[in-house]
Amino acid sequence: ETGVTQTPRHLVMGMTNKKSLKCEQHLGHNAMYWYKQSAKKPLELMFVYNFKEQTENNSVPSRFSPECPNSSHLFLHLHTLQPEDSALYLCASNRDRGDYNSPLHFGNGTRLTVT
Amino acid sequence: DQQVKQNSPSLSVQEGRISILNCDYTNSMFDYFLWYKKYPAEGPTFLISISSIKDKNEDGRFTVFLNKSAKHLSLHIVPSQPGDSAVYFCAASANNQGGKLIFGQGTELSVKP
Repeated sequence: ETGVTQTPRHLVMGMTNKKSLKCEQHLGHNAMYWYKQSAKKPLELMFVYNFKEQTENNSVPSRFSPECPNSSHLFLHLHTLQPEDSALYLCASNRDRGDYNSPLHFGNGTRLTVT
Repeated sequence: DQQVKQNSPSLSVQEGRISILNCDYTNSMFDYFLWYKKYPAEGPTFLISISSIKDKNEDGRFTVFLNKSAKHLSLHIVPSQPGDSAVYFCAASANNQGGKLIFGQGTELSVKP
């Protein structure tokens, strides 16, 4: 149990669907992150929220839309995705953006397949 | 341009021997380095870190070495155990660049009994 819970674990969606990924952390952290992991590639940072404010959008296409209603919850809304968006989407949290003494805690990810 | 590289996609080691995982970086501004371990169907978990003011950090069977002049980082696991079999990611960040973590592509370690 990492303290970071992601749902669903697996998601298959068509290119015209709208779906959302959910992340919840029970660690009292203030920073939350979305990462994308494609096969044989490094983890790519997508979005960062610190104290509910978005502090980074790493040139992510607008078909991915994050939402952070509070410091414990993070969503990733998906709309008109492409097959190349199929990947493992990982949520992470830590005490504060850039706090070196607080390593990232990751959830177990959502395996997304776009058909 | 990949700033953090793990050039060995896989490594196989016998139980009880030393595992050495390597990582190279190009950004001289990186001042903090971490290793994460990932089992299948789970997210990465933090293993060990090192600041650029040190050249070695040890935690039980795990030791991380930093060679700043060579821009090279390595993780030593000794003795290796079958439960260490996982994908290991190297990551680096620069405080004056917002502390954003840049990951390598991972090395899959297999420890054989």
